[in-house]
Amino acid sequence: AQSVAQPEDQVNVAEGNPLTVKCTYSVSGNPYLFWYVQYPNRGLQFLLKYITGDNLVKGSYGFEAEFNKSQTSFHLKKPSALVSDSALYFCAVSRHAGNNRKLIWGLGTSLAVNP
Amino acid sequence: ETGVTQTPRHLVMGMTNKKSLKCEQHLGHNAMYWYKQSAKKPLELMFVYNFKEQTENNSVPSRFSPECPNSSHLFLHLHTLQPEDSALYLCASSQVSIAGGLAYEQYFGPGTRLTVT
Repeated sequence: AQSVAQPEDQVNVAEGNPLTVKCTYSVSGNPYLFWYVQYPNRGLQFLLKYITGDNLVKGSYGFEAEFNKSQTSFHLKKPSALVSDSALYFCAVSRHAGNNRKLIWGLGTSLAVNP
Repeated sequence: ETGVTQTPRHLVMGMTNKKSLKCEQHLGHNAMYWYKQSAKKPLELMFVYNFKEQTENNSVPSRFSPECPNSSHLFLHLHTLQPEDSALYLCASSQVSIAGGLAYEQYFGPGTRLTVT
């Protein structure tokens, strides 16, 4: 079955420390992988994506993610967390379905950055 | 206005009411989407419009009726809803190629918080 897993409901990190939000996927074929962030009372905002090429992808607000094909993972990282990074983070993978690609979404991980 | 806008931001309606949600995108995209976001559940794709044509209807009950008059506007007409339909309804847009494919990221509006009483 095609799926995306975000194994942690919540991640807590101190401001200034590195953060990692985990994502693993199970999809046939070559996946397209995305990270989105949702701040309270807001829609989702695109952070970054992996389509092909370099496994390390850099995105908005200093975030980056590493595609690991052997581990089928696409973990989101940031070297130094800010309190303003506190939000809900969603991983999504796109799989080919006929003439279209469908996004499969994770359940989200709530990130809390403590001052 | 920039990006994707949605109105109203909040809506409370009775089970016998009829209301509509509106979405407008100012990004020049050719695909638009309706999603339902409920707590502790994955984001649920409801409808997809590519080039104004509906290409996806994920077994959504008929009490939800989408309308896409042009590539910039998307509506979700609601009637005789149930309390379990209470959720955040998100609109999104993206660019898609004529050959199909969703390698392009989606841009979301702020959502409409719907409460059905």
